[in-house]
Amino acid sequence: AQSVTQPDIHITVSEGASLELRCNYSYGATPYLFWYVQSPGQGLQLLLKYFSGDTLVQGIKGFDAEFNRSQSSFNLRKPSVHWSDAAEYFCAVRNTGTASKLTFGTGTRLQVML
Amino acid sequence: DAGVIQSPRHEVTEMGQEVTLRCKPISGHDYLFWYRQTMMRGLELLIYFNNNVPIDDSGMPEDRFSAKMPNASFSTLKIQPSEPRDSAVYFCASSYNGVDGYTFGSGTRLTVV
Repeated sequence: AQSVTQPDIHITVSEGASLELRCNYSYGATPYLFWYVQSPGQGLQLLLKYFSGDTLVQGIKGFDAEFNRSQSSFNLRKPSVHWSDAAEYFCAVRNTGTASKLTFGTGTRLQVML
Repeated sequence: DAGVIQSPRHEVTEMGQEVTLRCKPISGHDYLFWYRQTMMRGLELLIYFNNNVPIDDSGMPEDRFSAKMPNASFSTLKIQPSEPRDSAVYFCASSYNGVDGYTFGSGTRLTVV
């Protein structure tokens, strides 16, 4: 079954610093990959998604992600973090076949120092 | 669009009681998903529907859990009887085609004491 791994449970960065959150996937073919953000007490919001084509995907809130097939990765990036970016970030992969369900990683909690 | 609407936002109940969580998906979305989020297990898919029909309920933990979708604009997740280990945040999400990602509701925080 398809799966994603987020190796970092918790990351702390200073406001204005760059950010990269790691996600590794396990899947034989080209996966459908997603990044979601969850602010405290809220549901998950879709940041961006990758299906095919250009390996650099632009998302909302100034985020982007790069699909790297050779490394089985789909890392989320932002050039300059804002205090409001403090949240939990989830990588997800869509299962194929008849299933339309997403399998989520365990999440990375981002703390931003002022 | 009001988004995916879940009610109640918070529910505190005693062990053994019946609990019903409600969800209104986005109009026009054909897929509806119920997820449970806990610190220990993360986000788990419980069940999902396509055109009001349950497609995969393999994530429903046991017979105490049941879900229905009587029409395109309403779904319920019921736990009877509830147990303390059911304490979690339950999310409903909907999707237009099941491919482009989901829109999540704000969740229901369930506490069983």
